[in-house]
Amino acid sequence: EVQLIESGGGFIQPGRSLTLSCAASGLRVNSNYMTWVRQAPGKGLEWVSILYSEGSTYYADSVRGRFTVSRDSSKNTIYLGMSSLKVADTAIYYCARGSIEMGGTAFDIWGQGTAVTVSS
Amino acid sequence: QSALAQPASVSGSPGQSVTISCTGTGSDVGRYKFVSWYQQHPGKAPKLILYDVSNRPSGVSNRFSGAKSVNTASLVISGLQPEDEADYYCSSYTTTSTLLFGTGTRVIVL
Repeated sequence: EVQLIESGGGFIQPGRSLTLSCAASGLRVNSNYMTWVRQAPGKGLEWVSILYSEGSTYYADSVRGRFTVSRDSSKNTIYLGMSSLKVADTAIYYCARGSIEMGGTAFDIWGQGTAVTVSS
Repeated sequence: QSALAQPASVSGSPGQSVTISCTGTGSDVGRYKFVSWYQQHPGKAPKLILYDVSNRPSGVSNRFSGAKSVNTASLVISGLQPEDEADYYCSSYTTTSTLLFGTGTRVIVL
């Protein structure tokens, strides 16, 4: 069964750092386009970042310079390093797979999400 | 990076059809075929229902269809069913190699 499981969320103060993990099973993270999407409470989806199979990364303007996406092929896991966190970063963070067969920008497999709350 | 514009809500009775628009610019929706649609029920992760404007992933009902004209994409749900009541989001690839989601539309089945 293909599965993505996020972890690492929690309650954290503004200005601090946090790293989220997304463990994959049934697919190889280094052979797929892996993305992070977030959803603030009661709000819509917001694309955060993408890590392409060849290693290139892209970020939304709202997180560029503060967030870093990476992967560990040996653990088949991707990470989202978040620094200088703001209250506005409070959200459920989902990792998802961009299907290369579907052009790479269609996210067909999603995790269950991990909640991050930034508050003093 | 402004979110793609969608109506806040649309409604219809069972069996009817509803259309959701997704308006972007020539730097995203108007530039590429890489427009996708997602369905999200409360408390659940999004589900991909259309990709490349009008293609359905395996297992998705053919009641969902899509099209695009200039800078606006659209999702049509025909034969509306109670389980279609959910939030729907479009997304598009952009000229800066990033992605944008739409503002989201709540579909209400009367």
